[in-house]
Amino acid sequence: RKEVEQDPGPFNVPEGATVAFNCTYSNSASQSFFWYRQDCRKEPKLLMSVYSSGNEDGRFTAQLNRASQYISLLIRDSKLSDSATYLCVVTRGYSTLTFGKGTMLLVSP
Amino acid sequence: DGGITQSPKYLFRKEGQNVTLSCEQNLNHDAMYWYRQDPGQGLRLIYYSQIVNDFQKGDIAEGYSVSREKKESFPLTVTSAQKNPTAFYLCASSIIRGPDTDNEQFFGPGTRLTVL
Repeated sequence: RKEVEQDPGPFNVPEGATVAFNCTYSNSASQSFFWYRQDCRKEPKLLMSVYSSGNEDGRFTAQLNRASQYISLLIRDSKLSDSATYLCVVTRGYSTLTFGKGTMLLVSP
Repeated sequence: DGGITQSPKYLFRKEGQNVTLSCEQNLNHDAMYWYRQDPGQGLRLIYYSQIVNDFQKGDIAEGYSVSREKKESFPLTVTSAQKNPTAFYLCASSIIRGPDTDNEQFFGPGTRLTVL
């Protein structure tokens, strides 16, 4: 099993749609979880941390299921500007991170 | 304005030449990291440093070298021993709060290295 697995997509959705991304991880000792966003040919930027209780930031909701080693990201009311690659990230050691290959989202008018 | 700077943005080198990529941060972060990203691939860790004058190999350290003489700076040298050096190189930094807390990393804009 790969350390962090994501569906590469692309997910093609119309503006206003709700879209969900999933991610699984193999290291049961991982303590912190994140979603990063990466625009084409740019650096990754932190979108949000993911907590066991679930957390929301505006149109974005992240969920963590430690028992299933599964992380999700839900985007409501998609905007054109949401088009990007979304990276699932988990901690591997004291300060190192493991990145998934990303899921590409394309939002069309 | 706090942040991480990488220079240059684009770099071209001939095969067999060593090249050094710059990374500077003024965030007062303890840890710094170098990653490589190839098209359609995830980020792979090359080297990281949690404290000045100390660094550890990541998953793909062969053909690379680093130094950490100052907290603010973590240059990466791509040597001629690196077989496929053409890639997008990303530098990141983070505070180290502890093993059970969020240690999110913040990235510089990256350097695109092309070896001809």
